[in-house]
Amino acid sequence: DTGVSQDPRHKITKRGQNVTFRCDPISEHNRLYWYRQTLGQGPEFLTYFQNEAQLEKSRLLSDRFSAERPKGSFSTLEIQRTEQGDSAMYLCASSLGGTGGEQYFGPGTRLTVT
Amino acid sequence: DAKTTQPNSMESNEEEPVHLPCNHSTISGTDYIHWYRQLPSQGPEYVIHGLTSNVNNRMASLAIAEDRKSSTLILHRATLRDAAVYYCILRDFPSGTYKYIFGTGTRLKVLA
Repeated sequence: DTGVSQDPRHKITKRGQNVTFRCDPISEHNRLYWYRQTLGQGPEFLTYFQNEAQLEKSRLLSDRFSAERPKGSFSTLEIQRTEQGDSAMYLCASSLGGTGGEQYFGPGTRLTVT
Repeated sequence: DAKTTQPNSMESNEEEPVHLPCNHSTISGTDYIHWYRQLPSQGPEYVIHGLTSNVNNRMASLAIAEDRKSSTLILHRATLRDAAVYYCILRDFPSGTYKYIFGTGTRLKVLA
């Protein structure tokens, strides 16, 4: 399968712990995005990379959140000192450039903070 | 970012056409109209996009009003696998912003 993959698919953690999620985009895609989705809502944009450069960050991305994309390949999203409000589905997407540039989404990582 | 308005839910009978409306009265001249859908327990999936002219692909058709203030996603023959949340999104490429702003979408229920 050559789609976007995310790991882990599910994560349960205790409040205050740190968690890290990984996203592997489609290999030739130079753009990578992170979104967060809570129950009954559409995905909310968190951040965007073009190659290894993080070009845009949402105000939703507090200081406890950090994302990296070393070498412009896979990406990681880390949440430090998790809070119950961080419980959500974290979605990764990738795309090529151009006016089409449709985004291909992974299956998501569901985070539950207890 | 320009906003879109969609009905919260719609129902359709299997094998009948479905017309999913989207209003975007504040659309700018450079906004593309994108449609995505999200099946249960999956990430969103690209459906179709357009700028001014109507568009067709293997999944659906997109009809764009002449004034571009509204659009309609058309599924020609709904199947049970089309039951999903459908999102209409505006995206302004020339501004260099590549993020999507999702609303709450339309939940489509397909009746057997």
